[in-house]
Formats: sequence, structure tokens, C-alpha cells
Amino acid sequence: DADVTQTPRNRITKTGKRIMLECSQTKGHDRMYWYRQDPGLGLQLIYYSFDVKDINKGEISDGYSVSRQAQAKFSLSLESAIPNQTALYFCATSDHGGGNTGELFFGEGSRLTVL
Amino acid sequence: RKEVEQDPGPFNVPEGATVAFNCTYSNSASQSFFWYRQDCRKEPKLLMSVYSSGNEDGRFTAQLNRASQYISLLIRDSKLSDSATYLCVVNRVNDMRFGAGTRLTVKP
Repeated sequence: DADVTQTPRNRITKTGKRIMLECSQTKGHDRMYWYRQDPGLGLQLIYYSFDVKDINKGEISDGYSVSRQAQAKFSLSLESAIPNQTALYFCATSDHGGGNTGELFFGEGSRLTVL
Repeated sequence: RKEVEQDPGPFNVPEGATVAFNCTYSNSASQSFFWYRQDCRKEPKLLMSVYSSGNEDGRFTAQLNRASQYISLLIRDSKLSDSATYLCVVNRVNDMRFGAGTRLTVKP
């Protein structure tokens, strides 16, 4: 079983719909992240959390919100999806020292299409 | 301008070739540096860290030049299995910033 699990893996939705992407981890890591990946742009950080109830904005947080209610779970919400939010979304984790060791552990990704 | 810039490629090389990728970063306060590898439609995975003194892991060598804010990755004796996108990653104080990636295809 994967250490970092994302659901759903694929989702097609319509403009204006609310969408939630879930991430759970069994690595026991404190830090969790949400990235989106677009062709030619690489991964861009949306939000990150260093502990339960700790939420920090990344590079591109507008239009997104997150919730960290438990150490193992970090969910990403799109309150009203729009087509330019069509992308591949990755959840990642690192341990307390992960920032310096560079070891981010990624889920397999959630491909979201907004029509 | 993106904080981490990479040549997008693609680099198409024959097996056994040596290939080098470059990366520049704009934030002089960046603390640590890495190369990640991403296979098609898969998640990124850490390939290696990059140290000022340079470091080597088998056929892979990484270099950092802090004065020029420049990072490189050299792959010697390329294998078919090296075909992937290579992501330059820079660690700021609290988060990691990714380059857009350089795509490598190694051909028989």
C-alpha cells in the first residue's frame, strides 16, 4: 500500500462545482503539502501545513482552501471550480527535518478536469 | 520570472552518452538544493541532494555554485532507464520550489 494516498485519482467536474481532494499518509510525518502541476510550469505550491491546525499559503493559494484536522490527513478544496484549475494535483509529506534533507514523499496524484 | 529556471529540453541522447542539465535560482536566501526525477504520469521522487563541494552518486554528479546561483546535474553513460523529467528543487526557509523540469529521452 502507498504511504501517501490521494483520492480521487481522477475527477471530471463542471465549472462552479465544489471539489475536495483528500490526502492521507501513514508515514507519521508532521509536514504536508499540496502542489499542482501544469505542463511547462512545474510544480507550484498551493498550501502547506507543519502540524494539525497549522495552515500556510503557498505560491498560488487563491481559489483553494485546505483543512488539516488530523496529522495523517490534509484535504484540498476548490469552492467553485473553474477551467484553469484543470491540472494534476500532488499531495506530499516530509518529516520535521525534511525541509533540509529535501525528501518529499508524494502521492500518486489526482488529475482534475474542470469543464 | 520563475524563481527556479531550467532548460525544458527535450534532450534526446543515445545510450552511453553524457548529458548535463542546468538550473538557476533567483532567491539568494535559498538554503538547500536537490534534483528530483519524475517518470511520465508518475509522482516526483528524490534523486539526490546538491552540495557546494559537489557530490556523486554512481553515474550522477551534482554541482552547486552559490555565487552564480547555479545548479547542475551530469549523467554519464546514459541508460534507457534514465529517460524521465529531471526537476531542480530549491529549499527556501519553509517550502520547496520546483523548476519546470528538463525532459530527457535516451535512445538505443
